Amino acid sequence: QSALRQPASLSGSPGQSITISCTGSSSDVGSYNLLSWYQQHPGKAPKLIIYEGSKRPSGVSNRFSGSKSGNTAYLTISGLQPEDEADYYCCSYAETSTEVFGGGTKLTVL
Amino acid sequence: QITLKESGPTLVKPTQTLTLTCTFSGFSLITSGEGVGWIRQPPGKALEWLALIYWDDDKWYSPSLKSRVTITKDTFKNQVVLTMTNVDPVDTATYYCAHKLTLRLGQPGSAYDVWGQGAMVTVSS
Repeated sequence: QSALRQPASLSGSPGQSITISCTGSSSDVGSYNLLSWYQQHPGKAPKLIIYEGSKRPSGVSNRFSGSKSGNTAYLTISGLQPEDEADYYCCSYAETSTEVFGGGTKLTVL
Repeated sequence: QITLKESGPTLVKPTQTLTLTCTFSGFSLITSGEGVGWIRQPPGKALEWLALIYWDDDKWYSPSLKSRVTITKDTFKNQVVLTMTNVDPVDTATYYCAHKLTLRLGQPGSAYDVWGQGAMVTVSS
């Protein structure tokens, strides 16, 4: 079971939009709508920001949105703010009752 | 309000067995649909899913660690225990437990919606 593939790093300026990809396979991302995204600031526990591909938990800014196409899921952050600088991880259910995280993306807000 | 907290040793010697306890409140593993998972993160590295246990004692394991990891629950104490045998320095990490959000009974949970603060474990002689 291989980790989902994410870009190691991305950067953007305040106010811009960025999109983080999360690529899996037909055994995970492509076959199930159980894809979640987490935001992690340094020294902190991860925080759920998107579940079931595109749903936001209560309290999460609507600047965060999720989508999927084939075996790849996407997290889009619009109107980048300095506090969005963090690591982002995707996670998917995979067949045979397992789960898998992505390798993480470090987002820098310039 | 759901809370979880990890506890256990901070230092373990190679080849020993690591036992971590997740004590939670705000939900019960007697309730249908509830689940608790373990995820770890080596210093400076990515999150890695380890195991998950549901209210009905259904247990899921990472294929790469299945031979060394066991997850159990104590519903009366509101605890979930992760045991890892034959630890190695590569097992040095922050270990998190997290509540599994399940929206539809009979289907896998959707996400980990509440996380513990994490417990740092170092494996070294």
